[in-house]
Amino acid sequence: SAVISQKPSRDICQRGTSLTIQCQVDSQVTMMFWYRQQPGQSLTLIATANQGSEATYESGFVIDKFPISRPNLTFSTLTVSNMSPEDSSIYLCSVGIYTEAFFGQGTRLTVV
Amino acid sequence: GESVGLHLPTLSVQEGDNSIINCAYSNSASDYFIWYKQESGKGPQFIIDIRSNMDKRQGQRVTVLLNKTVKHLSLQIAATQPGDSAVYFCAEKVSGGYNKLIFGAGTRLAVHP
Repeated sequence: SAVISQKPSRDICQRGTSLTIQCQVDSQVTMMFWYRQQPGQSLTLIATANQGSEATYESGFVIDKFPISRPNLTFSTLTVSNMSPEDSSIYLCSVGIYTEAFFGQGTRLTVV
Repeated sequence: GESVGLHLPTLSVQEGDNSIINCAYSNSASDYFIWYKQESGKGPQFIIDIRSNMDKRQGQRVTVLLNKTVKHLSLQIAATQPGDSAVYFCAEKVSGGYNKLIFGAGTRLAVHP
């Protein structure tokens, strides 16, 4: 199993600013995943973060808007850049160990 | 308040009844399926999984059924309890990938005493 800690757990941000979300895992993992969960909706994969290489983004998500860092095997950050109210969502970090995926508790972002 | 599940379809059941939550998946190349439970303010929690070479798998109070012909997955919860109230998501993993998951729309389960 894996224990995933995300910071911050929630934030209220002004439009036009950026927020960096941190994800710390208690074990070394190859892949880390970032998801977005818009209000009342399901989870959508933003990108996959591999240590030592650039993140792979899903359709509809771009690096300029959601830059990701993966400096080591236990840590990753997701930045939500130049925020607008449409970015208000829960952002979740996930890791895969064998066939199971584990999730952090999420970061609830409100953009005003 | 909690917005997860606010606009999702809701299944309302009486405590003690059995619940069946359905999910249609999209990719016939998916080889692994998982059900997650998401409670208010938390990330999704693993409930049960099933591989594509199976059509049924049972856990404690939960059973997952897989029908690959119609790309349908269901989660059965026996003797539903108030603590089962949450949003439930199915997820599929496409064969050949790593642990990248595609999530279904989700269903909110409301258990009434």
